[in-house]
Amino acid sequence: DQQVKQNSPSLSVQEGRISILNCDYTNSMFDYFLWYKKYPAEGPTFLISISSIKDKNEDGRFTVFLNKSAKHLSLHIVPSQPGDSAVYFCAASANQFYFGTGTSLTVIP
Amino acid sequence: DAMVIQNPRYQVTQFGKPVTLSCSQTLNHNVMYWYQQKSSQAPKLLFHYYDKDFNNEADTPDNFQSRRPNTSFCFLDIRSPGLGDAAMYLCATSRDPAGTGGSYEQYFGPGTRLTVT
Repeated sequence: DQQVKQNSPSLSVQEGRISILNCDYTNSMFDYFLWYKKYPAEGPTFLISISSIKDKNEDGRFTVFLNKSAKHLSLHIVPSQPGDSAVYFCAASANQFYFGTGTSLTVIP
Repeated sequence: DAMVIQNPRYQVTQFGKPVTLSCSQTLNHNVMYWYQQKSSQAPKLLFHYYDKDFNNEADTPDNFQSRRPNTSFCFLDIRSPGLGDAAMYLCATSRDPAGTGGSYEQYFGPGTRLTVT
């Protein structure tokens, strides 16, 4: 049973606009959430994280929002750049990491 | 640069022929993980080592074994690969979770893509 879900397999955004990637989870025991970015032929690289005691964490152009009541996580990228084109995985942790299936973001120049 | 290295990047093996994938790290992390990722699916944890303590996921097939001879190296052995074992195998490391208050990330290698013919 998939405990972390990314329902949008792909997303296309114009350069300079906001990219919003979404993630839903089912396990209320998750206490730490992460976003990873993956380029082709490379392993996932850590992007940004958030603890369950917070509802927002910002790092430059990247902001992660956590809505615990809705069990929903989102990643905002503003402004989007062509180099942001990659697959984005969300992950949640409760003793071990559970990953979503990924969303492929394409930023169109 | 500190990193996680996986060799080979691409591996082709025959049905039923044992194969070993390797992972090494220069991060000096306590924990090492092996994930299996099939196309359009989420990475699935197979097992992990906390130092030398081996932790097997309940649904990891017996066909998969692992060895960690020292802190830096970890191996994934597939004893009799089947066609369904064709996948990307990702190795990852992390610091000791107990020292981070539960807030820690994993560092991944580039993966080994296994093809079974």
